[in-house]
Amino acid sequence: AQSVTQPDIHITVSEGASLELRCNYSYGATPYLFWYVQSPGQGLQLLLKYFSGDTLVQGIKGFEAEFKRSQSSFNLRKPSVHWSDAAEYFCAVGAGGNQFYFGTGTSLTVIP
Amino acid sequence: NAGVTQTPKFQVLKTGQSMTLQCAQDMNHNSMYWYRQDPGMGLRLIYYSASEGTTDKGEVPNGYNVSRLNKREFSLRLESAAPSQTSVYFCASRPRGGPGELFFGEGSRLTVL
Repeated sequence: AQSVTQPDIHITVSEGASLELRCNYSYGATPYLFWYVQSPGQGLQLLLKYFSGDTLVQGIKGFEAEFKRSQSSFNLRKPSVHWSDAAEYFCAVGAGGNQFYFGTGTSLTVIP
Repeated sequence: NAGVTQTPKFQVLKTGQSMTLQCAQDMNHNSMYWYRQDPGMGLRLIYYSASEGTTDKGEVPNGYNVSRLNKREFSLRLESAAPSQTSVYFCASRPRGGPGELFFGEGSRLTVL
């Protein structure tokens, strides 16, 4: 069965520090992969997506993610975190057709 | 450009009451979805509609019904609300086929007492 795992429930980083949020998936074929961000009281906004091609994808707000097929991972990174990046981050897999599977989310706190 | 619009944004119900959450998108998308979000559980699919006139159950459909009224609108109905249905509900849409991403509304927070 398809699944998405975000092993870190909560991460705290200092402003200006680098960030990596982990995402592992289980899917038999080549997945479509997404990272979404959710600010408090808001809907989910797409940060970036991977469909095919270059395994390092760039997104909005300075985020990037790398697809590693051998590790079934799609980790999100940012070289220097800003206070405004504090939010909930969701990894998702599009499993073909109309099915999408979401991880349980990682909550990011940024300390000054 | 409104995108995906959900109403109401907040609602409090008593156990056993019914209500309908409305969703409309103005992006001419074919597929529409209803998710619920609960702490520590991510987003779980309730129902989706691949195109006008079709609906399919997702992971957690019990206690809900849906109607794809037309291409723009996809409503979610709770016939007899239960406290377990206290949640934040998100509507989403995406274009037909292919690997396109989901576009989300801002959510509807429902409390069932």
